[in-house]
Amino acid sequence: TQLLEQSPQFLSIQEGENLTVYCNSSSVFSSLQWYRQEPGEGPVLLVTVVTGGEVKKLKRLTFQFGDARKDSSLHITAAQPGDTGLYLCAGLSASNYKLTFGKGTLLTVNP
Amino acid sequence: GAVVSQHPSWVICKSGTSVKIECRSLDFQATTMFWYRQFPKQSLMLMATSNEGSKATYEQGVEKDKFLINHASLTLSTLTVTSAHPEDSSFYICSAIPPRAGGFSSYNEQFFGPGTRLTVL
Repeated sequence: TQLLEQSPQFLSIQEGENLTVYCNSSSVFSSLQWYRQEPGEGPVLLVTVVTGGEVKKLKRLTFQFGDARKDSSLHITAAQPGDTGLYLCAGLSASNYKLTFGKGTLLTVNP
Repeated sequence: GAVVSQHPSWVICKSGTSVKIECRSLDFQATTMFWYRQFPKQSLMLMATSNEGSKATYEQGVEKDKFLINHASLTLSTLTVTSAHPEDSSFYICSAIPPRAGGFSSYNEQFFGPGTRLTVL
């Protein structure tokens, strides 16, 4: 069984602070995806990382994929209250297109 | 593009009744859709894979006779929670994979519906 460990599970910070969320897999997926979910809504895809060592930036969000393609991180610079939400990493299986989700990181950014 | 809708957005029902939730891909055809369940402050748990024209594939521990899935067309999958009980109360989310040829996605990414909040009294 492929597992995704995500940490921290909860994070409460002040506006303007930086933070990093980690996602570690027990095995290699074909790709790894990061989602953000707001209460009462479905997850929204932020980024897909595929290549080991890959770094992608989305405004104040920086996503890294480890060389071994088993770990990833999401770094947010100068967090804002609008960044509040549940951040989920998910590994995609190429054989059946199934997504395995980590437990998520519930981020609260206080003004 | 790649929009997935769900209906209803929320439903309240009495224990013992059945509830049907629809998942539609609005601007693409999807041979495969997925159904997830999410409890408060928890992650998404895959329930089943819905395949157009064939039987759904259920994850271990999910009762196929309780959660009936019908993927009758390339744009519609339905999940029916039969004889619902309070412990079935949850947030149910579907997703669909658009075809690569449509330019929606390069990595077989799933696009998620907005979810359906089910409360069983």
